[in-house]
Amino acid sequence: GIQVEQSPPDLILQEGANSTLRCNFSDSVNNLQWFHQNPWGQLINLFYIPSGTKQNGRLSATTVATERYSLLYISSSQTTDSGVYFCAVEPSFISNDYKLSFGAGTTVTVRA
Amino acid sequence: DAGVIQSPRHEVTEMGQEVTLRCKPISGHNSLFWYRQTMMRGLELLIYFNNNVPIDDSGMPEDRFSAKMPNASFSTLKIQPSEPRDSAVYFCASSLTSYEQYFGPGTRLTVT
Repeated sequence: GIQVEQSPPDLILQEGANSTLRCNFSDSVNNLQWFHQNPWGQLINLFYIPSGTKQNGRLSATTVATERYSLLYISSSQTTDSGVYFCAVEPSFISNDYKLSFGAGTTVTVRA
Repeated sequence: DAGVIQSPRHEVTEMGQEVTLRCKPISGHNSLFWYRQTMMRGLELLIYFNNNVPIDDSGMPEDRFSAKMPNASFSTLKIQPSEPRDSAVYFCASSLTSYEQYFGPGTRLTVT
């Protein structure tokens, strides 16, 4: 199946710092999503971004589908940004298969 | 919209007992997914339905697990008999085929 690799595995930030999380995938995709799992365990949608660039407040994401990677940018980080960030993809080479394959996640800790 | 609704939020049961987890997807969504999350194995897809029909149950760990979707607004995941190794957080998610998946709050299952 499709491989999804996220880096770095862990990230420690001082409040106010900027950071970039990366997601590499091994094949073409129909769907790519970024999720944030907060310390209470909730999985929150950040972006649906199979290609292009999107921004939502201090967060933005870019997917370069032809080069098989996506980046998540966190600017002016806050302690509420702490948690695990997951990238998940739906491969396009399998028809009628709508399941997402998740990366292992990047654990972000923002210190005050 | 109320989002994906799961019940119960917490379940503690003894080994050998039957456990039933419930999920109500977002109205209008036609795909429903059951996931399990543990520290050791991360987030695993157990089964997913499209238009109420099970499409892929290859992630169901064994015959003790079963899932049904009798209509577009309700699904159950049943474990019978339960074992301590089934302890995990079980998430339900829904989507409009091949678009964003939205996760419910999860059910934390503890089997003693």
